[in-house]
Amino acid sequence: DIQMTQSPSSLSASVGDRVSITCRASQNILIYLNWYQQKAGEAPKLLIYAASTLESGVPSRFSASGSGTDFILTISSLQPEDLATYYCQQTSTTPHTFGQGTKLEI
Amino acid sequence: QVQLVQSGAEVKKPGASVRVSCKAAGYPFTNFYLHWVRQAPGQGLEWLGLINPGGGISPTYAPRFQSRISMTTDTSTSTVYMELSSLTSADTAVYFCARVGSYSKFDHWGQGSLVTVSS
Repeated sequence: DIQMTQSPSSLSASVGDRVSITCRASQNILIYLNWYQQKAGEAPKLLIYAASTLESGVPSRFSASGSGTDFILTISSLQPEDLATYYCQQTSTTPHTFGQGTKLEI
Repeated sequence: QVQLVQSGAEVKKPGASVRVSCKAAGYPFTNFYLHWVRQAPGQGLEWLGLINPGGGISPTYAPRFQSRISMTTDTSTSTVYMELSSLTSADTAVYFCARVGSYSKFDHWGQGSLVTVSS
């Protein structure tokens, strides 16, 4: 299985801050990488697919980059509604493993 | 609009089986794969497997569940089912179905179904 490792596991930031979350794959996954936001008690929501493509309807303060094994999700100006846990997921091969999550506190 | 509506919460005893349903609406059912993901209380997301409602290929399961998971489709009702057997307390989790579109993006999710395994 491909292992996905996110860092940090938790992050505390203030409104307006620029924050970044990294995700590392244990082997080359090209750009088969999705990012999700999950708020408490809800299903995950797709933010980014194919490593850097913003899903329709997602605010432009979210961006992402990377390829191969190293990926970054960035929120350019943190908003109160961004309080959530963020997950990366590889879809290069099955099982489509997720990172362990990054809990963002504001 | 696209909707995935899952069955309700279940309480099962250890050793039993559970079947969770996911009814799709708002798009051509057979054109998109459906995946299952679970989340134990306070834990992260775990991919369980996928099924092609259009048929043609067998479902693909995560290796650690291969021996006790089954996914099926009823195209007449646009519903997919996930059955997990030999339940233990470690299977207590919220189970989600998710539609997967182009670029392997999990773009729509069901609301989740809580399965509690307890004696």
